[in-house]
Amino acid sequence: GESVGLHLPTLSVQEGDNSIINCAYSNSASDYFIWYKQESGKGPQFIIDIRSNMDKRQGQRVTVLLNKTVKHLSLQIAATQPGDSAVYFCAEANNNAGNMLTFGGGTRLMVKP
Amino acid sequence: DTEVTQTPKHLVMGMTNKKSLKCEQHMGHRAMYWYKQKAKKPPELMFVYSYEKLSINESVPSRFSPECPNSSLLNLHLHALQPEDSALYLCASSQTGGAYEQYFGPGTRLTVT
Repeated sequence: GESVGLHLPTLSVQEGDNSIINCAYSNSASDYFIWYKQESGKGPQFIIDIRSNMDKRQGQRVTVLLNKTVKHLSLQIAATQPGDSAVYFCAEANNNAGNMLTFGGGTRLMVKP
Repeated sequence: DTEVTQTPKHLVMGMTNKKSLKCEQHMGHRAMYWYKQKAKKPPELMFVYSYEKLSINESVPSRFSPECPNSSLLNLHLHALQPEDSALYLCASSQTGGAYEQYFGPGTRLTVT
């Protein structure tokens, strides 16, 4: 069952504003990073990924920024919509260590109409 | 087709029951995964299959038994579970040979009574 008192970090934004979700990672050997969106009752959905030879990658309405110096990853969502409301997870992997993803704790994004 | 399917969607079982969870993908991926996800937590890796062989077992109790009958199918056999095993069980697949995005199924919501 659920853990009483456990809260996900929550970001609340107004519809139409830009959202920035942050993630710190700890393994300096990680060279592949990925963002997932998980809506209630569904599995995680791939949003965007980035390899360590890049510091920025853009998709449709989303941008991922990677700062390897401070081991920080961010996801920017432009013109946030109610359908963006979900929990967002970052994950990291080491390309030489195969397929294992290590997930961050998650951030809940709430979009106010 | 980037779909991973899982059945059943919901499962309620007693502690003496034996049941199986099923997962299927037709993306030609040769790596498949089982994750367990508790409420408000990120997915936790349980097992990894690579080319139909078990490559990673993250110290999962023996009451969970994975099986990979072929490159498209992944099963998780359940026996003598405990109430604390109640969770969302997620299947994922990816390419092999390095770190790539994993595609997740919708999950099976398991309740152990």
